[in-house]
Amino acid sequence: QVQLVESGGGVVQPGGSLRLSCAASGFTFSSYGMHWVRQAPGKGLEWVAFIRYDGSNKYYADSVKGRFTISRDNSQNTLYLQMNSLRAEDTAVYYCAKDRVTVSHDGFDIWGQGTMVTVSS
Amino acid sequence: DIQMTQSPSSMSASVGDRVTITCRASQGISSWLAWYQQKPGKAPKLLIYAASSLQSGVPSRFSGSGSGTDFTLTISSLQPEDFATYYCQQANSFPLTFGGGTKVEIK
Repeated sequence: QVQLVESGGGVVQPGGSLRLSCAASGFTFSSYGMHWVRQAPGKGLEWVAFIRYDGSNKYYADSVKGRFTISRDNSQNTLYLQMNSLRAEDTAVYYCAKDRVTVSHDGFDIWGQGTMVTVSS
Repeated sequence: DIQMTQSPSSMSASVGDRVTITCRASQGISSWLAWYQQKPGKAPKLLIYAASSLQSGVPSRFSGSGSGTDFTLTISSLQPEDFATYYCQQANSFPLTFGGGTKVEIK
């Protein structure tokens, strides 16, 4: 079935780095734009980053620009989020999500289960 | 950046009630709006895309309307499984942004 599975979360000290992965299955991963969305404990959803189906375009939230890098390996059906210079305010559940259709991002129809990132000393 | 403002932030309703949630964009976004439902400890679920199109598998009691800056999510007859938090999201331009959420609780 269509599925996204995140991994790589954990506890990291402020200023540290972490790389999240999102393994896709059940659909043609290389045809869809992909996103990372996060949710701080008890808070709402915050869009983090987007990567085009072929990796040619990337966009970031201002809050992570210059610190986070989104990438993908279409041969491995895997999405990544490299997070550097982590701050306490980056503490959140991180979800990967798939664009509903190949030609636009009018909604995210498939979400992973989320992986928790805690930034604390 | 486009700001999305939802109201109310929380509400109490009974099974069978008609529920309406509003979302306002800080600038026009045509029909580039999606609605999601999230239950505690779970990932969000897409309900509506393009402001009024029902995602496959979503019950027909959910509907969306609006364009430009003002949008509405309506649940025609609230069911027990609908108690959750609802978010709007603009898909018009990057950075994509979500509303603050509306928590629908049992009265």
